[in-house]
Amino acid sequence: EVQLVQSGAEMKKPGESLKISCKGSEYSFTGYWIGWVRQMPGKGLEWMGIIYPGDSDTKYSPSFQGQVTISADKSISTAYLQWSSLKASDTAMYYCARSTRILAPVDYWGQGTLVTVSS
Amino acid sequence: QLVLTQSPSASASLGASVKLTCTLSTGHGTYAIAWHQQQPEKGPRYLMKVNSDGSHSKGDGIPDRFSGSSSGTERYLTISTLQSEDEADYYCQTWDTGIQVFGGGTKLTVL
Repeated sequence: EVQLVQSGAEMKKPGESLKISCKGSEYSFTGYWIGWVRQMPGKGLEWMGIIYPGDSDTKYSPSFQGQVTISADKSISTAYLQWSSLKASDTAMYYCARSTRILAPVDYWGQGTLVTVSS
Repeated sequence: QLVLTQSPSASASLGASVKLTCTLSTGHGTYAIAWHQQQPEKGPRYLMKVNSDGSHSKGDGIPDRFSGSSSGTERYLTISTLQSEDEADYYCQTWDTGIQVFGGGTKLTVL
């Protein structure tokens, strides 16, 4: 069974850096796209960006370009989402999600990583 | 601009059927969409892809009670024989070169 397992909840202060992870298993990690989706408290889903671990081709939503960095390490089947300087407004649940192609729906979701940024 | 529009809320009685709507922006009537379900306090789950011709393909383990259809720029999710566990938020999603887009979601209440 395809699995996307995300790293645990994080509590950080404004200005700190953070890198969260998403490990894929039971499928060919390099052959599928991994996207990241934000869900702020009580709100809907927002697409942040996507990466193809096979060649690290990465695309960002204009809303998140320059705010976060998406990367992947195909040797350990893991994708990452990172911030260099967190803000309180980054407090949200973050989901990774798999797509078979960039022009295709999400077909599997990770369980989510809650990021809380507070002084 | 590629935009998906959903009604914020819907309700239907236990055992009844409900049809949720996702509307594509003008000029995007040939686009496929996907439906995702998010039960309270859980992560999203992929339900199905719905094509512009109304054909659909469901995710693993999705019950036959869930089906999809299309008309023009509207894409539908029909849930029959509603059960209590169907009470959830339902999101539609679509995609274009370099981007993916989610609708605002519909909160379904099962009465």
